[in-house]
This record gives sequence, structure tokens and C-alpha cells, in this order.
Amino acid sequence: ETGVTQTPRHLVMGMTNKKSLKCEQHLGHNAMYWYKQSAKKPLELMFVYSLEERVENNSVPSRFSPECPNSSHLFLHLHTLQPEDSALYLCASSQVRTANTGELFFGEGSRLTVL
Amino acid sequence: AQTVTQSQPEMSVQEAETVTLSCTYDTSESDYYLFWYKQPPSRQMILVIRQEAYKQQNATENRFSVNFQKAAKSFSLKISDSQLGDAAMYFCAYRSVNQFYFGTGTSLTVIP
Repeated sequence: ETGVTQTPRHLVMGMTNKKSLKCEQHLGHNAMYWYKQSAKKPLELMFVYSLEERVENNSVPSRFSPECPNSSHLFLHLHTLQPEDSALYLCASSQVRTANTGELFFGEGSRLTVL
Repeated sequence: AQTVTQSQPEMSVQEAETVTLSCTYDTSESDYYLFWYKQPPSRQMILVIRQEAYKQQNATENRFSVNFQKAAKSFSLKISDSQLGDAAMYFCAYRSVNQFYFGTGTSLTVIP
């Protein structure tokens, strides 16, 4: 088992579809993240679940909805997306400690194409 | 807000040669961490090297080393004896408390 697994690896959806991305981490971490990766742009943090609290980037549209049922699983629910939402969506996990030394461990990403 | 700048969108290096990737960042904090991540064509991003800001000594991991200049807010990555497997996107990242900030990446090509 790799540390962070994401499914599906590729997803094509129409603008009216509802789909979900799934992420699972096997590292015993206490924080999970969703990032959006677009060409020639910095990774954009979308959501963080850390120590059971959610932190979100206020610029993320409401058509993206995260869910974190436990510390090992993270979902990103997608609804009525736009073509500009096409990107690579990366899940990551880390161990948050008072010393703040935890690095991010990434999954392989889910390539989303919105038609 | 913290920003991370990678001014080299693309770099190339001859196999077995040395290449340096640049990164600068902007912060008013004194305690933070810096990272270089590598994303090969298979897309999984992995950590290459990390540097704690309070440490003056530059971090080294085998063929990878950094030149950390805290006053200049510069954090460059040096890859020695470049190998074909080093070809990837390289991202510089800054960590403050529980937030990571990434640069736009440098695409490294290794020429056989």
C-alpha cells in the first residue's frame, strides 16, 4: 500500500454531473489536504482537515465540497463544475505537531476534465 | 502573506553535470521550514530535502544540497551528478505553522 492513495486517477465529467474524489492515507497522520494543481500556477490549497477542524480557502467555489469522515479518509464532492475546474487534484497528509516539522505526503492525484 | 517565487520555469542539465534551481520567498516570520519537492512525470510529488530556518547549516541529502541564505530569503537546490531519473518538476515550498506555500515549479530536463 502506498502512503496516500487517490481514486479515481482520471475523471471526465459534464458540467451537470455529480462525482466525488476519494483519498485515503495509511500513514497515521492527523491532517489531510486537498490541493488544486494547474499548469504554471502555484499549488492552490483548497481545504485542510487538521486535528478534526476544517480550514478552507475562501476563494474555493461552493461547487467543491469536502468531507472527512475520519483521519484516514478524505473526499472531495464535485457538483456543477465549470471547464476551468479541469486540473490535477492532489490529496496530501501530514502529521501536525507542536514543533511543526511535518512534511506533506502526496497522492498521485486525480486528473479531472470538465466538458 | 507568504509568497514563494521560482524564477526559472524550465532548466536543463547534461547528465552527470550539476544544476542549481533558484527559489526566493517573502516572509516576516523568523521560524519556518523550507522544502524542495520533486514531481516526476508519474505525478506523485515526493520530498527531496528540507531546511529548518533556525539551522545555519545547509541541508544535504546525497546528491541534493541547498544553499539557504536567510537574510536574502533565498533557498536554492543544487543537484550534483545529475541522472536521467532527476528529470521532473521541482517545487519549492515554505511552511508556516500549518500552512504550506508553493512556488510555480521548475521543469528540469536531463540530457543524456
